[in-house]
Amino acid sequence: GENVEQHPSTLSVQEGDSAVIKCTYSDSASNYFPWYKQELGKRPQLIIDIRSNVGEKKDQRIAVTLNKTAKHFSLHITETQPEDSAVYFCAASKRGAQKLVFGQGTRLTINP
Amino acid sequence: NAGVTQTPKFRILKIGQSMTLQCTQDMNHNYMYWYRQDPGMGLKLIYYSVGAGITDKGEVPNGYNVSRSTTEDFPLRLELAAPSQTSVYFCASSYSGIPNTGELFFGEGSRLTVL
Repeated sequence: GENVEQHPSTLSVQEGDSAVIKCTYSDSASNYFPWYKQELGKRPQLIIDIRSNVGEKKDQRIAVTLNKTAKHFSLHITETQPEDSAVYFCAASKRGAQKLVFGQGTRLTINP
Repeated sequence: NAGVTQTPKFRILKIGQSMTLQCTQDMNHNYMYWYRQDPGMGLKLIYYSVGAGITDKGEVPNGYNVSRSTTEDFPLRLELAAPSQTSVYFCASSYSGIPNTGELFFGEGSRLTVL
């Protein structure tokens, strides 16, 4: 089955700097890659997703890139702010699978 | 809409006890899921359901059971609780199957401790 690896497990950046989180997946049939953000003690929430027919997607300060050949995708956060501090999860799914496989999560800390 | 509602939020169980985590959604979603989240780990799928009367195993189903008698409710049953089941449990739903609509709506989570 699908396996999703996420790195790094923890990431600390200065406020205003950029943060990058990377994920690799094993199943070449996977075609949907969402990112979820989980603030401390809260539920995970979708922040951005990308499908395999595009290579990049942006939404204000966040962007996701996808390299289908290498089977990896990344989350980019620019101009980081304290409210970006959270655990971020990547995930992957393929048509017909009806479920997401999540990575292990990255705890992002923004230092003032 | 309340979204996805889970109860209880916290529970302490003794080894060997049984309990049911309740999950209900009012968004008329067909698909429902149960995940567990261990410290420092990602979300592991326990069971899921694509509609009333249909359930299927996820990655870590052992020690759990589910039922889906209505579209709204998807309870998770723990039989003979073990310390390894200490975790935070999240119920989630989506209107259509992944990856069609693309978003899982999560409940607030249920923190279970087995001593």
